[in-house]
Amino acid sequence: ETGVTQTPRHLVMGMTNKKSLKCEQHLGHNAMYWYKQSAKKPLELMFVYNFKEQTENNSVPSRFSPECPNSSHLFLHLHTLQPEDSALYLCASSQDQGTSNHNEQFFGPGTRLTVL
Amino acid sequence: DQQVKQNSPSLSVQEGRISILNCDYTNSMFDYFLWYKKYPAEGPTFLISISSIKDKNEDGRFTVFLNKSAKHLSLHIVPSQPGDSAVYFCAASAWSQGNLIFGKGTKLSVKP
Repeated sequence: ETGVTQTPRHLVMGMTNKKSLKCEQHLGHNAMYWYKQSAKKPLELMFVYNFKEQTENNSVPSRFSPECPNSSHLFLHLHTLQPEDSALYLCASSQDQGTSNHNEQFFGPGTRLTVL
Repeated sequence: DQQVKQNSPSLSVQEGRISILNCDYTNSMFDYFLWYKKYPAEGPTFLISISSIKDKNEDGRFTVFLNKSAKHLSLHIVPSQPGDSAVYFCAASAWSQGNLIFGKGTKLSVKP
């Protein structure tokens, strides 16, 4: 595997379900990101991990819970979601967070989430 | 309040002609700008970038122009090809923060 992978690619869940999204990067990067892309909206940054430490939580509701066990893996645990949480969830990685020269982020293909 | 704006949600261009995608920003602290391209069912892929110390960066058919006084950048694709049909996102970051701020994207359709 190369680049940034995400599983599952599609997920349909009920409001009472608990599910997890997984992201894995094979680029040797130290920063990983979760974004949400809703229709007709810009990509919204949700969480940032730099060297496994969470450095950003962009006012995300607690029903979204990230986990970064190591620099290569990032999870997004989902619990008691709402229909308006239906969106494309994108994971990205970069060499590290913070310097302009290293801001090129590499994205995974995303997980298309539908909450019923 | 959107810091990065792409005011054209869509653009249609004939194959072989020039495509010009525009992006405006409001934060004067932004010093690095990127363009990403996104095909359906795929994540965005990096296309080209420009630092605020430059006003032009060229890579093959793709050229990005930066006008700092107007807080405006544009992506020129020439000649346009049907395979260029995708959604193009403009993104910006500031040295002090590091995170990317994205625009809403412009859907480019290149017709044969």
